[in-house]
Amino acid sequence: QQQVKQSPQSLIVQKGGISIINCAYENTAFDYFPWYQQFPGKGPALLIAIRPDVSEKKEGRFTISFNKSAKQFSLHIMDSQPGDSATYFCAAGLMDSNYQLIWGAGTKLIIKP
Amino acid sequence: DAGVIQSPRHEVTEMGQEVTLRCKPISGHNSLFWYRQTMMRGLELLIYFNNNVPIDDSGMPEDRFSAKMPNASFSTLKIQPSEPRDSAVYFCASTFRGRGTEAFFGQGTRLTVV
Repeated sequence: QQQVKQSPQSLIVQKGGISIINCAYENTAFDYFPWYQQFPGKGPALLIAIRPDVSEKKEGRFTISFNKSAKQFSLHIMDSQPGDSATYFCAAGLMDSNYQLIWGAGTKLIIKP
Repeated sequence: DAGVIQSPRHEVTEMGQEVTLRCKPISGHNSLFWYRQTMMRGLELLIYFNNNVPIDDSGMPEDRFSAKMPNASFSTLKIQPSEPRDSAVYFCASTFRGRGTEAFFGQGTRLTVV
């Protein structure tokens, strides 16, 4: 009930391509789904987040797609750039209990120039 | 704001020694988290404080781990005695509960126990 499964574990994409990372959750009570980006030697930083009342949220080149019935959500990075190379974490939790975020295992993304 | 400040950035210690990690959250934030990150287990929540009070410490692995938050601007995570399996990157994060859920992370302390 409390797992968030993230895939793939690692991903290599050519510059200009689309990077796609997927996550699946189990607890239907979750109502907050953030993606965090982590560069080497740094802490994770919030990239984009979505609530289940919308199916998609876009911020620049980053888009979250959310499928409530399938209990899945994904991060799409359009026109991927070498500067996007980082580890990406999805998470799921309750909006009013932020400490209960359940984290995915992370995806190491490498964008080849 | 300087963000969440952790010290030290790196710590190498011998097995059996006491280790103390320090964190200064963002001013005005009322929630603080300690996380541990390893390749094998990913990001694990160790303990959560709200208004300086420990709310959930179920993630603290053993009695060797303890955390305190004596005031709103300082927290410590102590490991005594340390063991090689404690080697990891420890992150502190803070947020203001009630103003959204974004957690702001520090740069982490890389702990190596030899």
